[in-house]
Amino acid sequence: QVTLRESGPALVKPTQTLTLTCTFSGFSLSTSEMCVSWVRQPPGKALEWLARIDWDDDKFYTPSLKTRLTISKDTSKNQVVLTMTNMDPVDTATYFCARSWVRGVSYFDYWGQGALVTVSS
Amino acid sequence: DIQLTQSPSSLSASVGDRVTISCRASQNIANYLSWYQQKPGKAPILLIYTTSSLQGGVPSRFSGSGSGTDFTLTINNLHPEDFATYYCQQSYNSITFGGGTKVEIK
Repeated sequence: QVTLRESGPALVKPTQTLTLTCTFSGFSLSTSEMCVSWVRQPPGKALEWLARIDWDDDKFYTPSLKTRLTISKDTSKNQVVLTMTNMDPVDTATYFCARSWVRGVSYFDYWGQGALVTVSS
Repeated sequence: DIQLTQSPSSLSASVGDRVTISCRASQNIANYLSWYQQKPGKAPILLIYTTSSLQGGVPSRFSGSGSGTDFTLTINNLHPEDFATYYCQQSYNSITFGGGTKVEIK
């Protein structure tokens, strides 16, 4: 059974760095062509893909946020970590991690429940 | 960046109706399109991948079609549990989502 779960602070102050952890089970990030992404959704708005890390440690970021994002993995712990620097109130959103595959069309077949992060002083 | 434009942004329908949602890409994305359903406070659920392939466990009243820049999600015989927001997503070049289409009860 594949599960993903996001964890991290519910509240961060402007200019602070956000660190979110995705802990997963039921699959391994050492499996060829496996990957994990982060997707966020501001309240009442659409989904926005942020970053992806692949089984071979390749990393990809959405261009508009590339300078603020870092994604990493700990395969032994089944975890993927996302850091976002210089947080702003517009970054208030629910942050999801999701699994996908590199091969062919990339789609998200399993998602975590999401973690709401509010940016406020 | 590839932009995905969904239309309409919202629609009202009745149980039993046939609903079609459009997703237009700003450039050719071949068949690199997927569809998701999302209910309030929940994570998205994958419905369709590679334009027209139904994800396991998804009812057959959901179907997808299209290619290139124009894609459609069709829901036949709308069920009460289908009232939700639907998103398209492309993976031809990076990953982007459409703006969403909210299906409401008429």
